[in-house]
Amino acid sequence: QKEVEQNSGPLSVPEGAIASLNCTYSDRVSQSFFWYRQYSGKSPELIMSIYSNGDKEDGRFTAQLNKASQYVSLLIRDSQPSDSATYLCAVRRAYGGATNKLIFGTGTLLAVQP
Amino acid sequence: DGGITQSPKYLFRKEGQNVTLSCEQNLNHDAMYWYRQDPGQGLRLIYYSQIVNDFQKGDIAEGYSVSREKKESFPLTVTSAQKNPTAFYLCASSGQGAYNEQFFGPGTRLTVL
Repeated sequence: QKEVEQNSGPLSVPEGAIASLNCTYSDRVSQSFFWYRQYSGKSPELIMSIYSNGDKEDGRFTAQLNKASQYVSLLIRDSQPSDSATYLCAVRRAYGGATNKLIFGTGTLLAVQP
Repeated sequence: DGGITQSPKYLFRKEGQNVTLSCEQNLNHDAMYWYRQDPGQGLRLIYYSQIVNDFQKGDIAEGYSVSREKKESFPLTVTSAQKNPTAFYLCASSGQGAYNEQFFGPGTRLTVL
């Protein structure tokens, strides 16, 4: 089992729809969770971080965390063609000497159709 | 203007040569990281450093070396021992602790000819 799992996609949604991206993780001691957006040929850009159970909203983006189910998701409302990118989920453990290390999923490719 | 810079943006290397990729940050972050990304693949951690003069191997350190003599700088050397070095190399930095966010530089694309 991978430590952080994402569906590779592509996830295709029409413009204006809600895109739902999902991520599961295996380590129960994980404490912080991040979503990055990566356009083709570019470096990852941090778009959301979440640390507590529940929802966190920032503009059109909402991150949802459920630690009991070891599940984190990203919702993108009113999806735009410019949202088309690969979305990376990252999880940080908080034990031992490697408290800063992030574990990345392989990413979900989102395609927003005009 | 705070951020992370990497140079060069593109690098071509002949087989058997060592090359050094530069990474500089002015975010006052203690921790710095090097990742490798291959086409269609996820990020793989090469080396990381949580403090000056200290660094640890990541998941794929063989064929790479680093130094951390200054807080701002974390150069990566790709040695001739690295069997398949053609990839996109990403440098990142963060503060210490579980709740600090990690930011990436623009990357260096290395091609071995």
